[in-house]
Amino acid sequence: AQSVAQPEDQVNVAEGNPLTVKCTYSVSGNPYLFWYVQYPNRGLQFLLKYITGDNLVKGSYGFEAEFNKSQTSFHLKKPSALVSDSALYFCAVRDPSYYGGSQGNLIFGKGTKLSVKP
Amino acid sequence: DSGVTQTPKHLITATGQRVTLRCSPRSGDLSVYWYQQSLDQGLQFLIHYYNGEERAKGNILERFSAQQFPDLHSELNLSSLELGDSALYFCASSVIAGEVDTQYFGPGTRLTVL
Repeated sequence: AQSVAQPEDQVNVAEGNPLTVKCTYSVSGNPYLFWYVQYPNRGLQFLLKYITGDNLVKGSYGFEAEFNKSQTSFHLKKPSALVSDSALYFCAVRDPSYYGGSQGNLIFGKGTKLSVKP
Repeated sequence: DSGVTQTPKHLITATGQRVTLRCSPRSGDLSVYWYQQSLDQGLQFLIHYYNGEERAKGNILERFSAQQFPDLHSELNLSSLELGDSALYFCASSVIAGEVDTQYFGPGTRLTVL
C-alpha cells in the first residue's frame, strides 16, 4: 500500500536560515508526490509536485523539493526561511489502489509544523 | 484563492442530525474529491466523483454519502451525526482524474457536533 511519512512533528528555523521538511514514501509503481501547505483556518495550498524528470522540483513561494529514488525521499526545502512560512506542511502521494491502476486520491502524511522565528 | 468554494464555513449541530456540505469546483474541473481532517486521523480520503459519476470510495462511513450534480458541484451528506464526526471537511477539484493531476483544495467546512 502507498504511504508517506513525515518524521518530524515540528521544525524550528530562524528567519533567513535554510529550511528542510522531510518526507519519505513507500509506493508500488511510479511515485507521484506532492507538497501542500496549510495556514491556520485555511485550506491546503498546492506548492509543488514530482511526476517525472528532474529530481529538483521548483514550486511556489520559493520552495523546492528534491526527489531521491534510492532513499525514497521527497524533502521540501527553501534557501532562506521567512516568518510568513510558518504553517503546517503536508507531503502526499497519489494512491491508485481504489482505482485498479491509474488515477487516484491523495494519501497524506501527518504533517509537519514549521515555525520560523525572527 | 484556489477557485474551489465550500459552504458553509462553519456548521454546529447536534448528535443524530443530518447536514449537507456543498462544494463548487474550479471552473472547468470535472473531478471532485472529499477529504476529512481530524486531529486523530489526519487527512483522509472519503470519496471521488468524476463528471457526475462516483469513481472511488475511501474511508467513508455508511452514514455519509455524496453526489455530483450536472453543473459539477458536489454535496456531501452526513447523517446520524456522532461526536466523532466533528472535523474539517475539504473538497478538492482537478481537471480530470489522472494521476498527475493537481488537486486544488477549498477552504473547508468545519463541522462541530455537540
